[in-house]
Amino acid sequence: DTGVSQDPRHKITKRGQNVTFRCDPISEHNRLYWYRQTLGQGPEFLTYFQNEAQLEKSRLLSDRFSAERPKGSFSTLEIQRTEQGDSAMYLCASSLKAGVREQYFGPGTRLTVT
Amino acid sequence: AQSVTQLGSHVSVSEGALVLLRCNYSSSVPPYLFWYVQYPNQGLQLLLKYTSAATLVKGINGFEAEFKKSETSFHLTKPSAHMSDAAEYFCAVSGETSGSRLTFGEGTQLTVNP
Repeated sequence: DTGVSQDPRHKITKRGQNVTFRCDPISEHNRLYWYRQTLGQGPEFLTYFQNEAQLEKSRLLSDRFSAERPKGSFSTLEIQRTEQGDSAMYLCASSLKAGVREQYFGPGTRLTVT
Repeated sequence: AQSVTQLGSHVSVSEGALVLLRCNYSSSVPPYLFWYVQYPNQGLQLLLKYTSAATLVKGINGFEAEFKKSETSFHLTKPSAHMSDAAEYFCAVSGETSGSRLTFGEGTQLTVNP
């Protein structure tokens, strides 16, 4: 049984460029979450999917951010026109449907915007 | 709304000493509570969870936590610290009406001295 995987692990980009991250959840998990973690802080919720439906988005998710989970399996998080303030660790987690509630996290994608 | 406060951003103990990491929560609904551990440049690993079945919860690596409703606390303890316990620890809360999103505290960095 493989855990949650994320790709890439590290991304360095120049301000104004677009970036896309991928998350592959644990295979039987139908909920998928994205969080952002800045240095010295706890993770902050961005959005989550149940199967292919995006059910909630945080106010942190500006219109430059978009997330998809087209077939209810893997998910992508795209950031358009990156800004230096987007530099952070982007964490993906998955869980079974509500009732169990523990989330299993991937290793994260560290984004550096120069 | 839910929130978590972790008292002490840095805790330092000697190897073999008791570990106590403090977490207080605020929730308008019965909470689900979690402790996660994060090693440098890695994702979060679940240590233990409280889901109302028992107030004393045992987790991995010898950690346990006690849910005290009257004190709105969920402190993490380990009787004897090991060098490998050095990491950042996060307390998190979720609730029925929050879509299972996790709200994290700011974390406590645990240092274990030889």
